Amino acid sequence: AQSVTQLGSHVSVSEGALVLLRCNYSSSVPPYLFWYVQYPNQGLQLLLKYTSAATLVKGINGFEAEFKKSETSFHLTKPSAHMSDAAEYFCAVRYSGGYQKVTFGTGTKLQVIP
Amino acid sequence: ETGVTQSPTHLIKTRGQQVTLRCSSQSGHNTVSWYQQALGQGPQFIFQYYREEENGRGNFPPRFSGLQFPNYSSELNVNALELDDSALYLCASSLIGGREGPAYNEQFFGPGTRLTVL
Repeated sequence: AQSVTQLGSHVSVSEGALVLLRCNYSSSVPPYLFWYVQYPNQGLQLLLKYTSAATLVKGINGFEAEFKKSETSFHLTKPSAHMSDAAEYFCAVRYSGGYQKVTFGTGTKLQVIP
Repeated sequence: ETGVTQSPTHLIKTRGQQVTLRCSSQSGHNTVSWYQQALGQGPQFIFQYYREEENGRGNFPPRFSGLQFPNYSSELNVNALELDDSALYLCASSLIGGREGPAYNEQFFGPGTRLTVL
């Protein structure tokens, strides 16, 4: 079964510091991987996606993620945190073929300290 | 291009009641997926509808059922509500069979319906 593990349910960074949110997936076949952001009382917004093209994926709001097959990881980074980045972030996986079930991680809440 | 909309935004029900949640898919999309997000958890896949038929189902009991209409909008029905059904219910629309292929079948999420069961 497909799954993703997000390390750290809460991450705090200072404004201007590096953001690193960790995600590992379980897979025997190449997956599609996603990062979503959720602001309080809102739905999910796609930040970026990996679909077997370039391993370094750039998304919106300055975020990027690198697909590392050897480590089965897809960590999300941003060089300099902004106050507006405070939100909950979900890593998700989907496999090609069949229906489009997306499996989400448990989420990481990012706090940005001024 | 209109986005995914859901109604109502909030709902309070009592245990044992039935509830219907609604979702209008994004223009041009033919597929709707429903997710349940309990407090502090990631979304859990309930089921997906494609061309008015259930196209896949997660680990949810039969009292969770759905419909998709010819205009691709969708309903989620939950019977015999339980306290644990309290959650944010998210709808996502996408296009299966698009020109760009399955890799780009991005799911667009609505704002959700917050259901509270007392």
